[in-house]
Amino acid sequence: LAKTTQPISMDSYEGQEVNITCSHNNIATNDYITWYQQFPSQGPRFIIQGYKTKVTNEVASLFIPADRKSSTLSLPRVSLSDTAVYYCLVGDQGATSGTYKYIFGTGTRLKVLA
Amino acid sequence: DAGVTQSPTHLIKTRGQQVTLRCSPKSGHDTVSWYQQALGQGPQFIFQYYEEEERQRGNFPDRFSGHQFPNYSSELNVNALLLGDSALYLCASSSRRTAFFYEQYFGPGTRLTVT
Repeated sequence: LAKTTQPISMDSYEGQEVNITCSHNNIATNDYITWYQQFPSQGPRFIIQGYKTKVTNEVASLFIPADRKSSTLSLPRVSLSDTAVYYCLVGDQGATSGTYKYIFGTGTRLKVLA
Repeated sequence: DAGVTQSPTHLIKTRGQQVTLRCSPKSGHDTVSWYQQALGQGPQFIFQYYEEEERQRGNFPDRFSGHQFPNYSSELNVNALLLGDSALYLCASSSRRTAFFYEQYFGPGTRLTVT
């Protein structure tokens, strides 16, 4: 059962900022929040990961409020090539230290229009 | 530095047959996870291997089995194929030896079609 809820789809125009919000009400104390991007018939590609507050890298920002029950992925100035499915993930720790699996939902289909 | 590689890229099998998919992890990684992704759905976790043992398993029947070799590469085996096994099979690798064992790198996948 997916542990996250996100919008099924979003449309945006080139050059705009896109914010995708994810709900994870039952996030565990030691869970990280991770976002992946996936193009058709390809493996998911890591975008960004965080635990709390704000994380920024060269492609995106991730905002996590203090209660960690939601998070927002921000993509600045999207282009047509950003059209993809975006997954918000939390994980499950395994019984063996260091083992971790991702629980994927259906993701958000972002379509960038010219 | 090669990323995660998978073989074959595509294959077609008949119901009832058996299939073996292969994965080589990213250099420096020791943990391999397998996911099944049906068309239009998110990837579903099958199992994870570390130190040549299955460490975690998702809700998949025993027809799905795996193996990890001393060089950390892995195989996914599916017996008695069903039409519903048609999917993209993804391999992801990570390193348990670092604090970032939750960072998984995915391969391009193997597209399996069962007819």
